[in-house]
Amino acid sequence: QVHLVQSGAEVQKTGASVKVSCKASGYSLSRYDMNWVRQAPGQGLEWMGWIATYNDQTNSAPQFQDRVTMTTDESTNTVYMELRSLRPNDTAVYYCARGRAVDYDFDYWGQGTLVAVSS
Amino acid sequence: QTVVTQEPSFSVSPGGTVTLTCGLSSGSVSTDYHPSWYQQTPGQPPRALIYSTDTRSSGVPDRFSGSILGNKAALTITGAQADDECDYYCMLYMGGATWVFGGGTKLTVL
Repeated sequence: QVHLVQSGAEVQKTGASVKVSCKASGYSLSRYDMNWVRQAPGQGLEWMGWIATYNDQTNSAPQFQDRVTMTTDESTNTVYMELRSLRPNDTAVYYCARGRAVDYDFDYWGQGTLVAVSS
Repeated sequence: QTVVTQEPSFSVSPGGTVTLTCGLSSGSVSTDYHPSWYQQTPGQPPRALIYSTDTRSSGVPDRFSGSILGNKAALTITGAQADDECDYYCMLYMGGATWVFGGGTKLTVL
């Protein structure tokens, strides 16, 4: 059974960085991509970025390209997303979502990690 | 920048049929965009409903169906139930490992 378990909630100050983890189980990590999606309070879903877990190739949405880093640790079946230079409007729930390369969809989602940024 | 459009809200009567759409600010949605649909209840992560335009994800009842209608992707719910009341998001693949979500539709069943 596929599970994506994310790290716990974080409170950070403006200008700081946050690193969210997503531990996968129930499948071979390198056989699927991983995506990161965020949702600000009361708002919709926003795609942030993608990592091909077998070779660590990444791509991110233009608004995050200079602030986000995604990495994989195959030894622990964990994918990480680091967001730098945080600002209050980065306050959101951050989700990891398993991506399927053939169908271009996200079939399993983590439970979400709340990141709150204070000024 | 490409904007994916959805109706902000929609309402349907219990047992009724509703079609939610997913369009582009410029151009038409086709199967080349691999449209997918997600259902989200408050406080929960999204749940995959439809992928590759019209294929139901595992465990999704057949009253949910996807299609292309005119120049948009569409999600049709037949025989709406009270627990279908939640938010629905479409997502399009833009190529080059880039995806965009629509703004979401809040569905009310009343």
